[in-house]
Amino acid sequence: DTGVSQNPRHKITKRGQNVTFRCDPISEHNRLYWYRQTLGQGPEFLTYFQNEAQLEKSRLLSDRFSAERPKGSFSTLEIQRTEQGDSAMYLCASNLGEGSYGYTFGSGTRLTVV
Amino acid sequence: GIQVEQSPPDLILQEGANSTLRCNFSDSVNNLQWFHQNPWGQLINLFYIPSGTKQNGRLSATTVATERYSLLYISSSQTTDSGVYFCAVRSYNTDKLIFGTGTRLQVFP
Repeated sequence: DTGVSQNPRHKITKRGQNVTFRCDPISEHNRLYWYRQTLGQGPEFLTYFQNEAQLEKSRLLSDRFSAERPKGSFSTLEIQRTEQGDSAMYLCASNLGEGSYGYTFGSGTRLTVV
Repeated sequence: GIQVEQSPPDLILQEGANSTLRCNFSDSVNNLQWFHQNPWGQLINLFYIPSGTKQNGRLSATTVATERYSLLYISSSQTTDSGVYFCAVRSYNTDKLIFGTGTRLQVFP
């Protein structure tokens, strides 16, 4: 593994469309995190998984957002009925598990809603 | 929840200058990391430093956990140091990192 991989790198979509992003963590990492970063701000926590279990969700994660990690490996983040306010960089990170100190981030998916 | 404040928000330096970035946090933490975000958005981990001092080349960091702050020192800055520096912490009752608002550094030749 060379790191956390995210696809696509960029996504432009029309308002109202659904989009899905994928994150492939480092293979031995049990925990996977999603963050959102808007222009000029630090990353904000959205949700995280321990293997396939979703352990915590932020209030930022409205009912239009859903995240899955079906086999405890890769994860997907889907946004339904996109709005212009969803335009942001979506970052994925992983680490070895509870109490682990190192978080490795992917390069992110930049979403633009027009 | 825990609050993380970074200062200064912006910093402009000439190549070769030294700088100090500060991170204040509002509660006890069991994890503190410094990241550099490059122009392409990639967050690069610089230091894991919940307490004490570490050095890596021209960069060093010090965290005084009892006083709830951390400092990142950049010596002999280079244009490649430009970008946004984030401090992120994790408190004892959670497993997520909470980020500060960052310090945007621009180094000119």
